[in-house]
Amino acid sequence: NAGVTQTPKFRILKIGQSMTLQCTQDMNHNYMYWYRQDPGMGLKLIYYSVGAGITDKGEVPNGYNVSRSTTEDFPLRLELAAPSQTSVYFCASNFLGGGEGEQFFGPGTRLTVL
Amino acid sequence: QKEVEQNSGPLSVPEGAIASLNCTYSDRGSQSFFWYRQYSGKSPELIMFIYSNGDKEDGRFTAQLNKASQYVSLLIRDSQPSDSATYLCESGGGADGLTFGKGTHLIIQP
Repeated sequence: NAGVTQTPKFRILKIGQSMTLQCTQDMNHNYMYWYRQDPGMGLKLIYYSVGAGITDKGEVPNGYNVSRSTTEDFPLRLELAAPSQTSVYFCASNFLGGGEGEQFFGPGTRLTVL
Repeated sequence: QKEVEQNSGPLSVPEGAIASLNCTYSDRGSQSFFWYRQYSGKSPELIMFIYSNGDKEDGRFTAQLNKASQYVSLLIRDSQPSDSATYLCESGGGADGLTFGKGTHLIIQP
C-alpha cells in the first residue's frame, strides 16, 4: 500500500493564481482531512470529508474548496491565491471518524505564494 | 471550544535522560489520545495511542492518561538525538471530534 499520497511536493504561485492540491489514499478510509501548518505552528483543519460526496468546513476554510467524488481522492482547490496561504498542506485519512483512530498523513505540499 | 494545550518549548534534555512531554485537554468527553512525532519538514507519524486511564508502554515510550485531571503525557526513556522533533498531542472521540495541540519542540543534547 502506498498509503496517502500528495502532489505536488512543492509549488510557487503568483498572487491571484489558482491550483489544485491532489490527495489520494489506497486504504479505503472513509474519513479524509486537509490541514495547513504554518512555520513553528500546529495543524489547522481546513476541510474534512466523512465519505464520498460529503464534505464539511474545518477551522480555516476561507479561500479553499474541496470535493470528494470517490473514496480515494480528496483534492483541495485554492482560488485566487494570497500570500497568507503560504504554508505546508497535509492531507490525512482515518478509518474511524471523530478522531478515534490513527491519522495517516501524506508527505505534504509546500506552497509559496508570491 | 475544544482545546488541547501543550508547552511549545523548546524542551532541552540531555542524551540518556527521560524526556517528559505533557498535554491537557478541555473536552471531558474525549475518549482517545494520540502522540505523533514530526521531524522538521516531514509529516506527523504516530508514536503512541492510549484510551484507558493509567500507563501504556511501548519500548522506550510510555503514554500516561489521567481522565479525571484531563491530562496526557508521553515519557521517552534513554533519550537519543534521533528523538529530537516536535511532538503533537491529539484528542478525539468527544463531541467535537479530533483536536491537535500545537506541539512541543524537543531537543536531545548529545
